[in-house]
Amino acid sequence: EPEVTQTPSHQVTQMGQEVILRCVPISNHLYFYWYRQILGQKVEFLVSFYNNEISEKSEIFDDQFSVERPDGSNFTLKIRSTKLEDSAMYFCAKLATDTQYFGPGTRLTVL
Amino acid sequence: GDSVTQMEGPVTLSEEAFLTINCTYTATGYPSLFWYVQYPGEGLQLLLKATKADDKGSNKGFEATYRKETTSFHLEKGSVQVSDSAVYFCALLKTSYDKVIFGPGTSLSVIP
Repeated sequence: EPEVTQTPSHQVTQMGQEVILRCVPISNHLYFYWYRQILGQKVEFLVSFYNNEISEKSEIFDDQFSVERPDGSNFTLKIRSTKLEDSAMYFCAKLATDTQYFGPGTRLTVL
Repeated sequence: GDSVTQMEGPVTLSEEAFLTINCTYTATGYPSLFWYVQYPGEGLQLLLKATKADDKGSNKGFEATYRKETTSFHLEKGSVQVSDSAVYFCALLKTSYDKVIFGPGTSLSVIP
């Protein structure tokens, strides 16, 4: 199973602050995804990223969110001004052999 | 729109009991179907998958068969262990590059 790592494992921030969540998909892949899971709820799609461009985004992914692959290896999700309701687990995923493989997640807590 | 429905949890079983978690889907075409598992405090791990009708996915004693006629992908295991305690997500993928659509998850607790 292709390995995906995410950092940090847990991020605590104050409301209104910016956070950057990082994903390191080892080896060369073109398709990446971000999902989130609010505690006790279902996993929701945020955005897909192909060849350094957003290919699809959900209605959750508003102007406060952005994604980048700044150095060809890391894949980041930025939330510009966090809100209380952004508290959730955020999962990065990459596509390999027609299957999405997920990282361990970053737990974001907004106070 | 496309969706996945799972049986409501939580499910509590005794060790060595038989497990079934029902999953049905709504989608046009021929999606691929998946079961992901989330152990306490961990991320989403692929458990098994099936890509076409009548395919059976299997892993770690778990099985699920892609039933096109009933649009179902029920998860089964003959004898559960305490270590199987986790949340199980049924999911579908319409095309290779598309987003995964998850069911709400079913929490399983196995007691000794």
